Amino acid sequence: AQKVTQAQTEISVVEKEDVTLDCVYETRDTTYYLFWYKQPPSGELVFLIRRNSFDEQNEISGRYSWNFQKSTSSFNFTITASQVVDSAVYFCALSEPNQGGSEKLVFGKGTKLTVNP
Amino acid sequence: DGGITQSPKYLFRKEGQNVTLSCEQNLNHDAMYWYRQDPGQGLRLIYYSQIVNDFQKGDIAEGYSVSREKKESFPLTVTSAQKNPTAFYLCATNLKRGLDTGELFFGEGSRLTVL
Repeated sequence: AQKVTQAQTEISVVEKEDVTLDCVYETRDTTYYLFWYKQPPSGELVFLIRRNSFDEQNEISGRYSWNFQKSTSSFNFTITASQVVDSAVYFCALSEPNQGGSEKLVFGKGTKLTVNP
Repeated sequence: DGGITQSPKYLFRKEGQNVTLSCEQNLNHDAMYWYRQDPGQGLRLIYYSQIVNDFQKGDIAEGYSVSREKKESFPLTVTSAQKNPTAFYLCATNLKRGLDTGELFFGEGSRLTVL
């Protein structure tokens, strides 16, 4: 069965610190997708990134970067020079496409990040 | 504006009452989903639909029902059989691209409280 583990329940940092959110996943499939979502206090989930299992290149988008390592089944998310607006709950998710197209996402329990001024 | 509209945003219900949460989308997406979020529990899949007039149970379907009569709409009914209905409910859509798994787009959610 698929499983996503976000071991860090809550993280608190001071503005401008770098912070890494951990994500470890379990799956038996060789083809799968990994996602990160941000949930600000308003409640709506905002898509951040999607990565397929064949692409292990690290990705950088502004202050955000992602480190995908199949060898350790991890897909960690780093925020550089954190800002107060980064305060949110962050979810890692795993999906496995199949012939029927019944894509479903399995979510981790989330990490609540608080960035203090 | 294109997007997903969930209503109501807040809902209070007495025990034993059924309640229906609305989810409407104008993104022309094929797939629609309902997730439930409880504090510290992440998101859990209730039901999903890949096409009109078809839907499948997710991991926690007991006590819930859905319909998909139109591509744009995927209402969720929380029945009196649901033992712990107080939660935050999120509707999502996905544009199918063959076997490629695209990202889910989420609505703003509906918070249901049972009194």
